Amino acid sequence: SQQGEEDPQALSIQEGENATMNCSYKTSINNLQWYRQNSGRGLVHLILIRSNEREKHSGRLRVTLDTSKKSSSLLITASRAADTASYFCATVGSGSARQLTFGSGTQLTVLP
Amino acid sequence: SQTIHQWPATLVQPVGSPLSLECTVEGTSNPNLYWYRQAAGRGLQLLFYSVGIGQISSEVPQNLSASRPQDRQFILSSKKLLLSDSGFYLCAWSPETGTVSYEQYFGPGTRLTVT
Repeated sequence: SQQGEEDPQALSIQEGENATMNCSYKTSINNLQWYRQNSGRGLVHLILIRSNEREKHSGRLRVTLDTSKKSSSLLITASRAADTASYFCATVGSGSARQLTFGSGTQLTVLP
Repeated sequence: SQTIHQWPATLVQPVGSPLSLECTVEGTSNPNLYWYRQAAGRGLQLLFYSVGIGQISSEVPQNLSASRPQDRQFILSSKKLLLSDSGFYLCAWSPETGTVSYEQYFGPGTRLTVT
C-alpha cells in the first residue's frame, strides 16, 4: 500500500519561480526521502531527512519534516526547465525496515 | 564508484511467454537489492527485496519470482506472463547498513509490454 501521498499530483510553474510539493504519510517513520524521476528513467535520490530533524538543505532544495502532522515538504527554489520531472517521497518505517514505501508522486513542469 | 545495470531496456512479450530480467551491481559488496514495478503515471510498488545470496522476501503475491544467484546479481522471472505484468521494472540497491534502509540507487529500468 502507498504510505506517502504527494500533493499536488501535478504542478506547472514558470522558470525562476519556486516549487513546493507536499507529502503526507500514515505511520511512524525512521526517515523520509525524496527522489526525482525523469520521464522513462530510473529514480535519483535527492535528500534524506531523519525523524529527529525538522529541516534540511541541499543546494536549491529545502526539505521540512513535521512528525506531529506526519507530513513533509520539498521546496525547489529558482526553478529551471531542467527541474521538470516527477518527484516522489518515500518513507522508511521505524523499527526494522529495509524497504522504502513510495508515494504516487508529483509531476513538476517548469516552463521556460 | 558503484553502478547498476539492467537489461533489456525494453521488451515486448506475448501473453503466456516466460520472462527473465537481469540486474547487476558493480563496485560494492553485499548490497541489499530490490525489484519495483511502476505502472504508468504512478508510484513504485516493491515486489521483492534481498539482503543476501539466496535470501528473497516477497512483498505481494503475484505471477513473478526473484532469485539472487550471486552477491551482485538479481533476477526477476515469470513462467507465464499476464497482460497485467506490463509496466516499468526498476532494480535498486542500497548499502548494507543493518536493519534500516537509507538511500537507494536505481537502475535505468526495463519497459515491459505484454501483448
